[in-house]
Amino acid sequence: GQQLNQSPQSMFIQEGEDVSMNCTSSSIFNTWLWYKQEPGEGPVLLIALYKAGELTSNGRLTAQFGITRKDSFLNISASIPSDVGIYFCAGRGYGGSQGNLIFGKGTKLSVKP
Amino acid sequence: DGGITQSPKYLFRKEGQNVTLSCEQNLNHDAMYWYRQDPGQGLRLIYYSQIVNDFQKGDIAEGYSVSREKKESFPLTVTSAQKNPTAFYLCASSSVFNQPQHFGDGTRLSIL
Repeated sequence: GQQLNQSPQSMFIQEGEDVSMNCTSSSIFNTWLWYKQEPGEGPVLLIALYKAGELTSNGRLTAQFGITRKDSFLNISASIPSDVGIYFCAGRGYGGSQGNLIFGKGTKLSVKP
Repeated sequence: DGGITQSPKYLFRKEGQNVTLSCEQNLNHDAMYWYRQDPGQGLRLIYYSQIVNDFQKGDIAEGYSVSREKKESFPLTVTSAQKNPTAFYLCASSSVFNQPQHFGDGTRLSIL
């Protein structure tokens, strides 16, 4: 079945630093989504990507749909303490059961003030 | 405010007991989903419904059942056949099946 690898698993950074994380899939995706989850809450959608090469920003967050259609990247600039949480990527393939979203295992971000 | 409401926030199950988790949305979305989240893991799809009165099994449907009698409601029953039910359960909805999903705040199920 489809697999999605997200890295790194965790990051410990200083406030003000930039952050990068990525996801790679074993097959081609037509959609990439990035979510943030805080403890005890549901994931919140940050950015949605639909075209290879697409680069989309949401405030200090920027995500890109890889040109191979098998990867996506999320960058956070000038991190602040409220960026703490788990960031998940999710991707969708083509047709049938591959139309379901596949989720990465998350990147846990810790920010030291 | 429009959103997805899951209840209860915490639920405890005894051995051999069925329990039902509630999910209600007032976003007028056609599609609804149930996911299971275990520590350090991504979300795994249990069941989904693209439209009222229809639902499909996801990747880990065994031991679970759902119904979709109303557009705004998609309850999940964790049956006694689910031998490892302890997890965080998340309900989501989207306007239609292939649009981004929005999540409720989850129900944490534990075994007594």
